[in-house]
Amino acid sequence: AQKITQTQPGMFVQEKEAVTLDCTYDTSDPSYGLFWYKQPSSGEMIFLIYQGSYDQQNATEGRYSLNFQKARKSANLVISASQLGDSAMYFCAMREGKDNFNKFYFGSGTKLNVKP
Amino acid sequence: EPEVTQTPSHQVTQMGQEVILRCVPISNHLYFYWYRQILGQKVEFLVSFYNNEISEKSEIFDDQFSVERPDGSNFTLKIRSTKLEDSAMYFCASSAGTANRGGYTFGSGTRLTVV
Repeated sequence: AQKITQTQPGMFVQEKEAVTLDCTYDTSDPSYGLFWYKQPSSGEMIFLIYQGSYDQQNATEGRYSLNFQKARKSANLVISASQLGDSAMYFCAMREGKDNFNKFYFGSGTKLNVKP
Repeated sequence: EPEVTQTPSHQVTQMGQEVILRCVPISNHLYFYWYRQILGQKVEFLVSFYNNEISEKSEIFDDQFSVERPDGSNFTLKIRSTKLEDSAMYFCASSAGTANRGGYTFGSGTRLTVV
């Protein structure tokens, strides 16, 4: 079974609107971390936001928020007020276990296009 | 903000040649990683390295791959005899491994093209 599933290969959003990128995960470990990364066309991986499995509140970082629904095993990324510079690939990732040095599992990504 | 530096940013090599991809992790980090992303696909774990030895490796990381921390600052990935299917973006990452929030720091990647 896939550890991370991103079901939206591509998304379009109008500039200044909000968009939700879906991510579901699969783990039996009670301790895990969920991450979102942005990959622009230049290729680098830019960390956006982190959610720990024991965190009570949904994580927020500026225009990014993570809609964490533990029972449903989903960790959707919400980008508010989309900007043209948000056009990129977005990857959801998970690190299992309590150790901060464990490997990451990545999803297949969602390509977001922001239209002017 | 501290960065993970990878060189070169792009390398073209002939099939069968050896390549070395170089990374300078963040100076106080203790854990080092290589990941691979074939064009248009997901990022995949290759290997993790701690205390001068491999701590975990994936099925992808076969005998043609090796890693080394030759001088206490660089962290290298060597591919002994490249194949066409090794063409990919290779990401180095490092982690302090402390109980801090968040993930690793990734480098900006080396795009390897095998011709």
